[in-house]
Amino acid sequence: KQEVTQIPAALSVPEGENLVLNCSFTDSAIYNLQWFRQDPGKGLTSLLLIQSSQREQTSGRLNASLDKSSGRSTLYIAASQPGDSATYLCAVRPFGNEKLTFGTGTRLTIIP
Amino acid sequence: NAGVTQTPKFQVLKTGQSMTLQCAQDMNHNSMYWYRQDPGMGLRLIYYSASEGTTDKGEVPNGYNVSRLNKREFSLRLESAAPSQTSVYFCASSGDGVSNQPQHFGDGTRLSIL
Repeated sequence: KQEVTQIPAALSVPEGENLVLNCSFTDSAIYNLQWFRQDPGKGLTSLLLIQSSQREQTSGRLNASLDKSSGRSTLYIAASQPGDSATYLCAVRPFGNEKLTFGTGTRLTIIP
Repeated sequence: NAGVTQTPKFQVLKTGQSMTLQCAQDMNHNSMYWYRQDPGMGLRLIYYSASEGTTDKGEVPNGYNVSRLNKREFSLRLESAAPSQTSVYFCASSGDGVSNQPQHFGDGTRLSIL
């Protein structure tokens, strides 16, 4: 059974710093990996999707990497802003079906 | 664009009552999903539908039924609500099950069972 872990559960950093969020998974046979953002009281917003054949994806100040062999993904946020404060979740999709397995998320607080 | 719309946003039920959570998407997506989100446990898939007329169980289907009414709508029914079903419920949709497309989420239904 696939297990997805995100450590730490919470992280606080001063505004302007670069930061890295971590995601690890136990089964490397994945179809893709997705990073989401969740604001309080809201649903999830897709940030980046990395296909199994890719090593990284970039969108603006965000860069996500994927290393299937080690079962790890990172989300790099450059020049953090208070508006980046949210919970960030990763999810993996296996081959053959659409059932995403989610991590429990990292709650990020950017301190002005 | 409305995206994925869930109704109601909040609901309080008594144990044993029934209710249906509604979900509709306007993105012409084939696949739709129901999740529940509980503290410390992340999001868990309840049911999903790969296309109109098909449904499949997820990780935690017990106590729930679903109906894919048409391509736009996917409803989740609690026949006899239990306190363990107190949770935040999210509906999501994606283009199809073949290509690498992200899932789009609604804002959730916060359900309390007393």
